[in-house]
Amino acid sequence: AQSVSQHNHHVILSEAASLELGCNYSYGGTVNLFWYVQYPGQHLQLLLKYFSGDPLVKGIKGFEAEFIKSKFSFNLRKPSVQWSDTAEYFCAVNSNFGNEKLTFGTGTRLTIIP
Amino acid sequence: DSGVTQTPKHLITATGQRVTLRCSPRSGDLSVYWYQQSLDQGLQFLIHYYNGEERAKGNILERFSAQQFPDLHSELNLSSLELGDSALYFCASSDWTGRTEAFFGQGTRLTVV
Repeated sequence: AQSVSQHNHHVILSEAASLELGCNYSYGGTVNLFWYVQYPGQHLQLLLKYFSGDPLVKGIKGFEAEFIKSKFSFNLRKPSVQWSDTAEYFCAVNSNFGNEKLTFGTGTRLTIIP
Repeated sequence: DSGVTQTPKHLITATGQRVTLRCSPRSGDLSVYWYQQSLDQGLQFLIHYYNGEERAKGNILERFSAQQFPDLHSELNLSSLELGDSALYFCASSDWTGRTEAFFGQGTRLTVV
């Protein structure tokens, strides 16, 4: 069975600080990887995704993530955070076979202090 | 706007009651997924329908059921509601290939009192 671990439950940063949120997954086959963001009171929105190819993927709002297959990791990064990045961030994985459900991590709550 | 529509947005009901949550997927999407989000359980996958047929079941209670209709909209039925069923219920849709992300609706916030 698939599982996703997000080790940082709550991260507090000042504006302009750099961000890295960890994500590790467990799955025996080929996977698709995603980061979703949930702003307060809103639905989940996709930040970025990895299906294949270049393991460094760039998403919206200056976010990027690197897939390291040997470490089963897909960490999210942003060089300089803004107050508007305050949200909950979810890493998710599904099988590359298609039409498969997403398995989510427990989420990381990010608070940016102005 | 993700293109996925969920109704109602908020629902308050009493224990023991039954409610129906509705989801209209993005145009052309054949897959519909239901998730439950609660503070203690996080985002839990409930059930997946593809083109009218059940494809996968997750942590869905026997008191809960779902279906997907010929027009591809889906309904999640929750019965004999308990206080612990209070949560945010999300619907997501994706195309048939599985090579795109799932698009989420705004969710239905269910409060059982």
